[in-house]
Amino acid sequence: EIVLTQSPGTLSLSPGESATLSCRASQAITNRYLMWYQQKPGQAPRLLIYGVSSRDTGIPDRFRGSGSGTDFTLTISRLEPEDFAVYYCQHYGDSPPWTFGQGTKVEIK
Amino acid sequence: QVHLVESGGGVVQPGRSLRLSCAASGFTFGDYGMHWVRQAPGKGLEWVAVIWYDGSKKVYADSVKGRFTISRDNSKNTLSLHMDSLRAEDTATYYCVRERWLKSFENWGQGTLVTVSS
Repeated sequence: EIVLTQSPGTLSLSPGESATLSCRASQAITNRYLMWYQQKPGQAPRLLIYGVSSRDTGIPDRFRGSGSGTDFTLTISRLEPEDFAVYYCQHYGDSPPWTFGQGTKVEIK
Repeated sequence: QVHLVESGGGVVQPGRSLRLSCAASGFTFGDYGMHWVRQAPGKGLEWVAVIWYDGSKKVYADSVKGRFTISRDNSKNTLSLHMDSLRAEDTATYYCVRERWLKSFENWGQGTLVTVSS
């Protein structure tokens, strides 16, 4: 089972700035099953990115997923006020379980 | 549009049982794998269980294996989670989730809170 470690734990930024969130896997991910979710307080998570880099329906193009091997990144360019939230990466191997990273909080500086 | 509505949460004593339900609408329920994911208060996300689209396969997280049972009724568009031998560490909001592209969790319910406490 691959363990996902996200960094930093908290990112303090201002609206209009760019955010770079890291998700590091304990061993190389050899499939495309790497996802990113956004969760706002009191709400269910929302799928942003699947297949490492594909945006889900309705997700703005300021959200970009990238990476390979053990290092994956979610980049949010030009932060909007509604982007301040907690972000989780997730992986599925060739069989269950699905695993999540511990999350990165993007907060307003 | 896709709608997932969980119910059945509440306060339960350790060692007791509870059954959660999820009513699905807006899509062909029987075409999709379905999951339960939980989140302890102030903590991250934990995958709990999956059931294949036709109910033929069920897989559980080690933390709930042998205590929780996932099931579905495709004729009624409902997903269930029967939880036995509940522990304090099972306290969490439980989300019903539809699996979609490349094993991703595209649609989530609003969640139902389960509190295990004496």
